[in-house]
Amino acid sequence: DIQMTQSPSSLSASVGDRVTVTCQASQDIAHYLNWYQQKPGKAPKLLISDASNLEIGVPSRFSGSGSGTHFTFTINSLQPEDIGTYYCQQSSTFGPGTTVDI
Amino acid sequence: EVQLVESGGGLVHPGGSLRLSCAASGITVSGYYMTWVRQAPGKGLEWVSVLHIGGHTDYADSVKGRFTISRDNSKNTLYLQMSNVRADDTAVYYCAKAGAVHLYCSGGTCQDYYAMDVWGQGTAVTVSS
Repeated sequence: DIQMTQSPSSLSASVGDRVTVTCQASQDIAHYLNWYQQKPGKAPKLLISDASNLEIGVPSRFSGSGSGTHFTFTINSLQPEDIGTYYCQQSSTFGPGTTVDI
Repeated sequence: EVQLVESGGGLVHPGGSLRLSCAASGITVSGYYMTWVRQAPGKGLEWVSVLHIGGHTDYADSVKGRFTISRDNSKNTLYLQMSNVRADDTAVYYCAKAGAVHLYCSGGTCQDYYAMDVWGQGTAVTVSS
């Protein structure tokens, strides 16, 4: 089974900061890596599919990149409503999550 | 608008059974890969099971042999039959629709890759005596 690692596990930043989360797969998954946002008590929301494809309606301050085994998720100019936990995922495996607060 | 609505959660004793339902509107469940994902209290997301368009099923090792995913096309509903439940099955269970599915082969193994683009609101299951 493919394992996913994610770092950091949590971070605290200020409004307007650039935030970066990394995700590493245990084997080559091409660009088939997805990113989700989950707010407390809510269902996860797909933000980015296939490493860099921004879902419709998702603000452009969110972006993703990477291929193979190493991937990056970035929030440019962190906003208060971005507080939550972010997960990377490939099919049957989620990363452990990164909690972002201000 | 695509909507998934889970139901059937509740309190169940260890060793007992429970069936979760996920009623879909705006899509036909038979036309997509459909999944169950769970989240234990204070923990991260855990993929549980997937039902392929063609009927193939797959399960996390933690539930294999105890849980069964299925669908009723006439009711446009996805199910998760949970049997012989354990305390560590306590979680919020989400059903989710997969988007495009891609087959990719690397290192001699091939796997389907997909994102979950529509999620239900979740149904809570508590396993306790």
